[in-house]
Amino acid sequence: DAGVIQSPRHEVTEMGQEVTLRCKPISGHNSLFWYRQTMMRGLELLIYFNNNVPIDDSGMPEDRFSAKMPNASFSTLKIQPSEPRDSAVYFCASSFQRADTQYFGPGTRLTVL
Amino acid sequence: RKEVEQDPGPFNVPEGATVAFNCTYSNSASQSFFWYRQDCRKEPKLLMSVYSSGNEDGRFTAQLNRASQYISLLIRDSKLSDSATYLCVANDMDSNYQLIWGAGTKLIIKP
Repeated sequence: DAGVIQSPRHEVTEMGQEVTLRCKPISGHNSLFWYRQTMMRGLELLIYFNNNVPIDDSGMPEDRFSAKMPNASFSTLKIQPSEPRDSAVYFCASSFQRADTQYFGPGTRLTVL
Repeated sequence: RKEVEQDPGPFNVPEGATVAFNCTYSNSASQSFFWYRQDCRKEPKLLMSVYSSGNEDGRFTAQLNRASQYISLLIRDSKLSDSATYLCVANDMDSNYQLIWGAGTKLIIKP
C-alpha cells in the first residue's frame, strides 16, 4: 500500500513567491493533518481536516497560509507570499479517525531565500 | 495551554545498555498516548501506542502512569540503529482530540 504522498520533496524559492505543497493521504483515512517542523519550534500542527472539512486551523501562522481539501484524496497548503521565516519541513499526515495513529508523508523541505 | 514535556537530551548510551525516557503531559483527560520515532531528516513513524496496562514490543516497553501524568519508554539491549529522536504524543480531548506533540528526546547509541 502506498503511504502518504507529498510533493514536492524539496522546494527552494525566493521571498514573495507563492508556494504550493501537495498531499495525498492514505486511501480510506478520514483525517488529514498539516504540520511544520523546525529546530527551534519542533513539530507544530497547522491545520487538520476531518472528512475534507477543516476542523481546527488555529495553528496556521497568519493569513499568508491557506489550506484546502477539495476531495478525500488530495490536499494543498499554500503560502502566499512566502517569507524566509517560513523555511521548514512541512509534513502531511493522515489517520483513519482523528484520534488514531497518524501516518506521515516524507515531508517537503522548504527554503525561502 | 496543553503541553507534553520531554527531556531533549541527547542521551549518549553505550550499545547494549538499557535506557529509559519519561514524558509528562498536562491534560489529565488525555486518553491516547503514543511514542513515535524520528530519524534524522525523516518523517516521524509510530513506534508504539501506550496502553493503560503498559505494553511491550520486543526490546521496547511503554508504560503509563495516570496518577503522575507521565508515560515512559524503556529500551533494553540498545542497538546502534536505535539512535533517533523519540517523540511523545498525547491526545487532547478538549481540542477536538488533537494530538499534542512533545519536542522529542534525542538518543545516541555509541559502539
